[in-house]
Amino acid sequence: QVQLLQSGAEVKKPGDSVKIACKASGFTLTSYYMHWARQAPGEGLEWMGIIYPDGVSTRYAQKFQGRVTVTRDTSTRTVYMEMSGLRSEDTASYYCARAGTDTAMYYWGQGTLVTVSS
Amino acid sequence: DIEMTQSPSNLSASVGDRVTITCRASQDISSWLAWYQQKPGIAPKLLIYKASNLETGVPSRFSGSGSGTEFTLTISSLQPDDFATYYCQQYKSFSYTFGQGTKLEIK
Repeated sequence: QVQLLQSGAEVKKPGDSVKIACKASGFTLTSYYMHWARQAPGEGLEWMGIIYPDGVSTRYAQKFQGRVTVTRDTSTRTVYMEMSGLRSEDTASYYCARAGTDTAMYYWGQGTLVTVSS
Repeated sequence: DIEMTQSPSNLSASVGDRVTITCRASQDISSWLAWYQQKPGIAPKLLIYKASNLETGVPSRFSGSGSGTEFTLTISSLQPDDFATYYCQQYKSFSYTFGQGTKLEIK
């Protein structure tokens, strides 16, 4: 069955970078779009970016352009989201998700809490 | 970016009630709309895709309708497990914006 297993919680200082892993099983990464979204404590969901099945093409929400990079390693079946220039407002749970027959977010990882604090 | 507005933001209802949540898009998104359910501390779960298609395994008391700019999620008879927060999301354009959420609470 489809599973997305994300890396563990991170604690970072302002200005740091973070790279979160999302390991896929039960399907072929090269066949699906993969999303990233986040949710600050007590807040709603915010879509961040997507990597295409070709593993090269990406799209990002305007808010995250230049600060977020989504990559993929098919040899380890892992998708990564890296965010630079962290600020306290980036404290959130970060989720990867797989698309399906269309690009809605069909399967979700368990989430990775990133805490940014000095 | 396409903006998505849900109403109401909060909703109190009882087990057995029929409830409807509305989602409006700032421009035409055809039927490229999804609905998700989220419970505290857990990742969201897809309920409805392409406005009216029930995801596999989702109970038939959930239904979605609409196209263009106005959409609804209906729960025909609320069950205790349905008390959660619901989000709509457009995926017509590669900005994939979510609505702000509707928290459904027990009356």
